[in-house]
Amino acid sequence: AQSVTQLGSHVSVSEGALVLLRCNYSSSVPPYLFWYVQYPNQGLQLLLKYTSAATLVKGINGFEAEFKKSETSFHLTKPSAHMSDAAEYFCAVSSFGNEKLTFGTGTRLTIIP
Amino acid sequence: DAGVIQSPRHEVTEMGQEVTLRCKPISGHDYLFWYRQTMMRGLELLIYFNNNVPIDDSGMPEDRFSAKMPNASFSTLKIQPSEPRDSAVYFCASSLARGTNTEAFFGQGTRLTVV
Repeated sequence: AQSVTQLGSHVSVSEGALVLLRCNYSSSVPPYLFWYVQYPNQGLQLLLKYTSAATLVKGINGFEAEFKKSETSFHLTKPSAHMSDAAEYFCAVSSFGNEKLTFGTGTRLTIIP
Repeated sequence: DAGVIQSPRHEVTEMGQEVTLRCKPISGHDYLFWYRQTMMRGLELLIYFNNNVPIDDSGMPEDRFSAKMPNASFSTLKIQPSEPRDSAVYFCASSLARGTNTEAFFGQGTRLTVV
């Protein structure tokens, strides 16, 4: 079975500050890992993905994430938060041969002006 | 491509009525997923299909829920009879799952309210 755990259901950062959203995964096979963003009343949009290539993955809107096998982590970061980053962020896992996409519980990001 | 298309966007129905949610996946995608999102339970995978065949329906809450995929371009999720606790946002997603193209693309969702 595969799963992800997102630490912190709510994160608040000041505009211009570093954004760090945490995700740890559990998988018995090499995982595919994803970060999605959901704006109010919208569907989920892919931010970035890891599929066993480079461990540092760059996504849209200045976000990036680093796959660390030793720590079973895939944390999402952005150097400087913008007001438009306020949204809910979901980490998800699947794997080759198991395309079932399992999501974490989400982290709501608030940006303080 | 227009992306994953869901209809209706909003549905309000009375308890006991039948509800049908519709989804058109992205052309060429061979996986289709139905998710439910609530405040209490977050995003739950209800069922997913591969090449129109249901692969895993273990997330379907109970017999009142059923899903079909009669062809590669259409899927339905039906609730009969509906109950207030079914109120949620239901998302459909599709993916290609070829090599590194494994991400799922989501529709805008159907917000269901059962009164």
